[in-house]
Amino acid sequence: IAGITQAPTSQILAAGRRMTLRCTQDMRHNAMYWYRQDLGLGLRLIHYSNTAGTTGKGEVPDGYSVSRANTDDFPLTLASAVPSQTSVYFCASSGLAGDEQYFGPGTRLTVT
Amino acid sequence: GQNIDQPTEMTATEGAIVQINCTYQTSGFNGLFWYQQHAGEAPTFLSYNVLDGLEEKGRFSSFLSRSKGYSYLLLKELQMKDSASYLCAVNTGFQKLVFGTGTRLLVSP
Repeated sequence: IAGITQAPTSQILAAGRRMTLRCTQDMRHNAMYWYRQDLGLGLRLIHYSNTAGTTGKGEVPDGYSVSRANTDDFPLTLASAVPSQTSVYFCASSGLAGDEQYFGPGTRLTVT
Repeated sequence: GQNIDQPTEMTATEGAIVQINCTYQTSGFNGLFWYQQHAGEAPTFLSYNVLDGLEEKGRFSSFLSRSKGYSYLLLKELQMKDSASYLCAVNTGFQKLVFGTGTRLLVSP
């Protein structure tokens, strides 16, 4: 059982480029989340989805979009990357919204 | 607004006991989580408190006082592998977690 997988592990991206970070879970969890983690700022919620077909904005949603076409996948898209989006991105899931969350291994993104 | 405060860094000796405090002021409260995060790795779940009192799980215990907006994580019989960051997170009632910036714990021999 893989749990949650994220791809890519790391990426260097030129500013202005479009990028999709992938997240897949095999635990049949209803809720999924995207966070970014920056030194000194902790984990901040970007977008979330309480169930397939629904999404919501978190604390720092600007510049990011998500979709939840099915239970397992929750991709995060940067439409036009900027250097301030350099961060470590974690995907997480929980059985139900509000339950303990399980985190993927993270994607380290550098925007130059 | 949401405010969650934790000490930035703590040090302790192998075999000792350490208490990591977390105070919070949030617009709502539906429970408090503690996560452990080793450097370069993902956070992993440690404990969850929704009612006042102490929850014990092996060497780790977590305490909550809702009236004081206060929680602590107690680590006993410290081991070198406990060197990590410890994250306090509050479910603010909108099914979303708000995280503190984390406490980096350094355990020395």
